[in-house]
Amino acid sequence: DQQVKQNSPSLSVQEGRISILNCDYTNSMFDYFLWYKKYPAEGPTFLISISSIKDKNEDGRFTVFLNKSAKHLSLHIVPSQPGDSAVYFCAATTLEGGGADGLTFGKGTHLIIQP
Amino acid sequence: GAGVSQSPSNKVTEKGKDVELRCDPISGHTALYWYRQSLGQGLEFLIYFQGNSAPDKSGLPSDRFSAERTGGSVSTLTIQRTQQEDSAVYLCASSLTLLSYEQYFGPGTRLTVT
Repeated sequence: DQQVKQNSPSLSVQEGRISILNCDYTNSMFDYFLWYKKYPAEGPTFLISISSIKDKNEDGRFTVFLNKSAKHLSLHIVPSQPGDSAVYFCAATTLEGGGADGLTFGKGTHLIIQP
Repeated sequence: GAGVSQSPSNKVTEKGKDVELRCDPISGHTALYWYRQSLGQGLEFLIYFQGNSAPDKSGLPSDRFSAERTGGSVSTLTIQRTQQEDSAVYLCASSLTLLSYEQYFGPGTRLTVT
C-alpha cells in the first residue's frame, strides 16, 4: 500500500521552461514533506522541504507547493536547466514521530531536460 | 566536510552466504538510518539508530537482517543466508539529530544475490 505516490515515472521538459513534479499522499498523519534529487550511482540529495503549516516554500529556482486538503504537493523548477536531469523523490514523515518513523518515499519521477 | 560513505559500493554474493554492509555517517550526526531500494521501487525505511541504540527493529524485512552501531559512528547491516529477493541498493543516511528531518544519504551498496 503506497502511502506516497508519484504517478509520473518520467517527465520531459525543454530547457528554460518550468518543470512541475507531482506527488500525492494518503496518510493524513504526514505533516512534513521533502524533495530529494538523485543522480545515477549517487545517493539522494536533499532539495527542499515544507511543513504542513505552510502552503509554499521557495529556494532559488525550486518551489514546493502543498495542498493539504487534496493531500497533494508539487515541486516547481524554474527555469529548468540541463543539470536538473535526475530522478526526483517525494518523501513524507510525521513530526510527532521525531524522525523515528523514517522517511516514506515515492517511487520517483525521472526528469529529463531537453536542450 | 566528508559526506556519508558506504562500503562496499557493489557486492555480488551467492545465495545462502552472509554479507555485511558498512556505513560511515557524517561526523557529529547522532541519528543514522538504513533504507533499501529494490528495482523500480521507492526507498524502503528499514531501521534507525539514535546514538548506538535501535529502539525499533520492526522495519527489518526478516530475522535474517540485523544492524548495529558502535561508538555512535559506524554502522553495519548484516544479512544472513542471503536470498535473491535481498538484491537491492542499500542506502544509509544520517542526520544531526533524530529531530533533524533532512537526512543526508550515502551513495549506497548495490547487493546482487545470485
